[in-house]
Amino acid sequence: EIVLTQSPGTLSLSPGERATLSCRASQDISNTYLSWYQHRPGQAPRLLMYGASNRATGIPARFSGSGSGADFTLTISRLEPEDLAVYYCQHYNSSLLFTFGPGTKVEIK
Amino acid sequence: EVQLVQPGAEVKKPGESLKISCKGSGDSFSKYWIGWVRQKPGTGLEWMGIIYPQDSDTRYSPSFQGRVTISADKSINTAYLQWSSLKASDTALYYCVRQTVLRENFYFYYYIDVWGKGTTVTVSS
Repeated sequence: EIVLTQSPGTLSLSPGERATLSCRASQDISNTYLSWYQHRPGQAPRLLMYGASNRATGIPARFSGSGSGADFTLTISRLEPEDLAVYYCQHYNSSLLFTFGPGTKVEIK
Repeated sequence: EVQLVQPGAEVKKPGESLKISCKGSGDSFSKYWIGWVRQKPGTGLEWMGIIYPQDSDTRYSPSFQGRVTISADKSINTAYLQWSSLKASDTALYYCVRQTVLRENFYFYYYIDVWGKGTTVTVSS
C-alpha cells in the first residue's frame, strides 16, 4: 500500500509570499494518479489539481502542481487571505482505492 | 450542476445502528462511483470506500472493511453509509463524494470532483 507523506505540517506565510507544499509517496507513482485538494475551514474540500499538474475548473492560475516519481509539489505563487486552508494530496491506486496524505495547513500571517 | 445532498447531523448512542444517506441530482448518478470520506475532529481526511450504483460494485479501504457498509439505491439516486453498532470513535464528519475518471488524450485521471456538505455523526452516551 502506498503511503503519502506531506511536509511541512504547517506553513505560516504573509499575503503575497510563495507557498511550496510537498507530497512524497512511499514508492514511485504515476502522475495521472496524484491529485491535490483544498479544505477551507467550515467548507467541503475542493479539487485543485488532478494529474499532478492540471488545474481543475475555476482554480486560479496562482496554483500550480509539479513533480514526478515519488515527489510532488503544490505551489501557490502569491498567497491571498482566502488561501487559508489545509491542503491534501491524494493518490489513486489501480484497484479504485484512494489514499489521502496527512495534509499541510497553510496559515496567513 | 451535480449536487450531493446529505443530512446535516445525526446523534446516536454507542451500540446503536445508523444509516446516513447521500442523494445525488442528475440522471447520471448511477454511472459514477460514489464514495465516503471521514474526517475525525482535529484530523485529516480518510477515504473509506466507494460504490458504483449501477451494479452496486463496492470497494473498501482496508481500514474500514468490515466496520461499515456502503450501499446504494439507483432508483432514487441515493447512496448510504451504514454502521451496525456505533462506537464513540465513529464520531466524525462524513462526506459523500463523487469519484470521476477523466480520459484526456491518452491518459486516465482519477479524482474526486464533487463533495457533499457532510454529515456530522456524534456518538455519545
